[in-house]
Amino acid sequence: QKEVEQDPGPLSVPEGAIVSLNCTYSNSAFQYFMWYRQYSRKGPELLMYTYSSGNKEDGRFTAQVDKSSKYISLFIRDSQPSDSATYLCAILITSGGGADGLTFGKGTHLIIQP
Amino acid sequence: DAGITQSPRHKVTETGTPVTLRCHQTENHRYMYWYRQDPGHGLRLIHYSYGVKDTDKGEVSDGYSVSRSKTEDFLLTLESATSSQTSVYFCAISPGRGYGYTFGSGTRLTVV
Repeated sequence: QKEVEQDPGPLSVPEGAIVSLNCTYSNSAFQYFMWYRQYSRKGPELLMYTYSSGNKEDGRFTAQVDKSSKYISLFIRDSQPSDSATYLCAILITSGGGADGLTFGKGTHLIIQP
Repeated sequence: DAGITQSPRHKVTETGTPVTLRCHQTENHRYMYWYRQDPGHGLRLIHYSYGVKDTDKGEVSDGYSVSRSKTEDFLLTLESATSSQTSVYFCAISPGRGYGYTFGSGTRLTVV
């Protein structure tokens, strides 16, 4: 089982809808939780970042972490066509010396229909 | 992307040829990473660096080597390119553990 599971979609919703994107993970040592957005033929860009259970809000975006269930979510309110992209969850363990790389989900392709 | 540049952006090379991809940053970040992105696999870590001359292997390091002789440059070398190394390669930088990464725009490599 891959350490981070994410439904690849595509997920298609009408403009203005609330979008829910989810990931599950298997390693309890994961400490930092991030969401990236990637437009076609571009590099991923950091959207949200948290290290604790609970909710974190930034504008139309809310990141939610449930460490007891090993489940993370990204909610997008009032979705816009410009939100159409692939959304990647990413999780980081920090342990020992050096820098442990982020482990990514495979990404969910989101389509917002005008 | 601000502060991080990958070169070349596109490259076509022949099987068995050595290839070097370059990542250059102007942020003076300590950590640098090389990922590859493939359909069905997502982003996978190849190698990373936590300082000049300090590097370590990631999940898919076979067939790749890296070097970091200066803070700003991180080179990825495919020692003898194979068709399975056809991919999009992303460099990322981070100021420290527990921080988000900034990604470059990627290098699209085709091995024929």
